[in-house]
Amino acid sequence: GAVVSQHPSWVICKSGTSVKIECRSLDFQATTMFWYRQFPKQSLMLMATSNEGSKATYEQGVEKDKFLINHASLTLSTLTVTSAHPEDSSFYICSARQGSSYEQYFGPGTRLTVT
Amino acid sequence: QKEVEQNSGPLSVPEGAIASLNCTYSDRGSQSFFWYRQYSGKSPELIMSIYSNGDKEDGRFTAQLNKASQYVSLLIRDSQPSDSATYLCAVRTSYGKLTFGQGTILTVHP
Repeated sequence: GAVVSQHPSWVICKSGTSVKIECRSLDFQATTMFWYRQFPKQSLMLMATSNEGSKATYEQGVEKDKFLINHASLTLSTLTVTSAHPEDSSFYICSARQGSSYEQYFGPGTRLTVT
Repeated sequence: QKEVEQNSGPLSVPEGAIASLNCTYSDRGSQSFFWYRQYSGKSPELIMSIYSNGDKEDGRFTAQLNKASQYVSLLIRDSQPSDSATYLCAVRTSYGKLTFGQGTILTVHP
């Protein structure tokens, strides 16, 4: 149980374009999903918390107009990187929390490369 | 002071030995503690959660929590080469945020 998927697993895009990443909880309903970013040899940095049916809560320093998050259903959250630049190249990972549990389960991640 | 700190590593142990990974945290109000394993190029995988003082065992893994000392550890018994990975300590702080340490790289050599 507690399986989270992400799509795509990797993507290459040109500078200035937008990229959408999907995160799905496959066998449970997730009222809360989280989006992290991880640069090489660094730990995970929380970007935002996504709650179903409401606006996402962004961490300090994360541009909400650049990283658009939509949590339209209990099993799907999307992250759209708008006007991507090479410095946005990173490993983006979502996680989901099952019910009131404090345990978070991570998706397999999406490796974004902006050229 | 970082919110969650792990022993810097890298840690190298021979196959069959016990690997000991340590973590301290700064928020005394933290209540939930987790250990994740992350293989290179992959996302983290939850291996242990602990909420009460003392030890919690799951197979070859034992998590230890001491809230008074603000310390949590992970012991891996009978280490195998497949245990070679980065281990992330994560703490759910009193304000509800899951905060990760910088990770400890473990290498188990045959």
